[in-house]
Amino acid sequence: GEDVEQSLFLSVREGDSSVINCTYTDSSSTYLYWYKQEPGAGLQLLTYIFSNMDMKQDQRLTVLLNKKDKHLSLRIADTQTGDSAIYFCAFQTSYDKVIFGPGTSLSVIP
Amino acid sequence: ETGVTQTPRHLVMGMTNKKSLKCEQHLGHNAMYWYKQSAKKPLELMFVYSLEERVENNSVPSRFSPECPNSSHLFLHLHTLQPEDSALYLCASSQDYGGGEETQYFGPGTRLLVL
Repeated sequence: GEDVEQSLFLSVREGDSSVINCTYTDSSSTYLYWYKQEPGAGLQLLTYIFSNMDMKQDQRLTVLLNKKDKHLSLRIADTQTGDSAIYFCAFQTSYDKVIFGPGTSLSVIP
Repeated sequence: ETGVTQTPRHLVMGMTNKKSLKCEQHLGHNAMYWYKQSAKKPLELMFVYSLEERVENNSVPSRFSPECPNSSHLFLHLHTLQPEDSALYLCASSQDYGGGEETQYFGPGTRLLVL
């Protein structure tokens, strides 16, 4: 079956870059997503990348996709305290399901 | 503001109660979803509706009963729940289901506590 793995915790200092990593097993994924969940809130779509792309940049966010290694990463430049949240990677399978990772809890230290 | 709203935001219920969760999307989407988010577990897809027809039912116990009266509204009827059903229930919608871009937009969730 499909599987998605993420590190559960990440701690960075304010102003540094954060890199959140995700690995997946389904090689037929079409869309790969990053969602953000702030405390007490639902999921917010941050960005997504098509499987035929290697990189996508959106302001402070950079998504890198290595299809060979089935590795997806989210880089947040100049991390702020407001970026503290849980970040979920997710991918759309060939069966049109969206599978979510367990989430990475990002803590930003002032 | 995501365009997907859920009510109530918090709910406490006993195991013998009957309650309903409501989701409404204002995005003109054709597909709606119910997810369960438990502590320390990945997000679990429960139900998918496309054009008001149920297309996915991922082995969810019958004490959870979904209803989709139209493409803008989705309900989750709850009865005789167990304490382990306590979780955050998330609703989402997407333009379509199957064959196209299905970026999902999530509501804020209903935090459910079963006593």
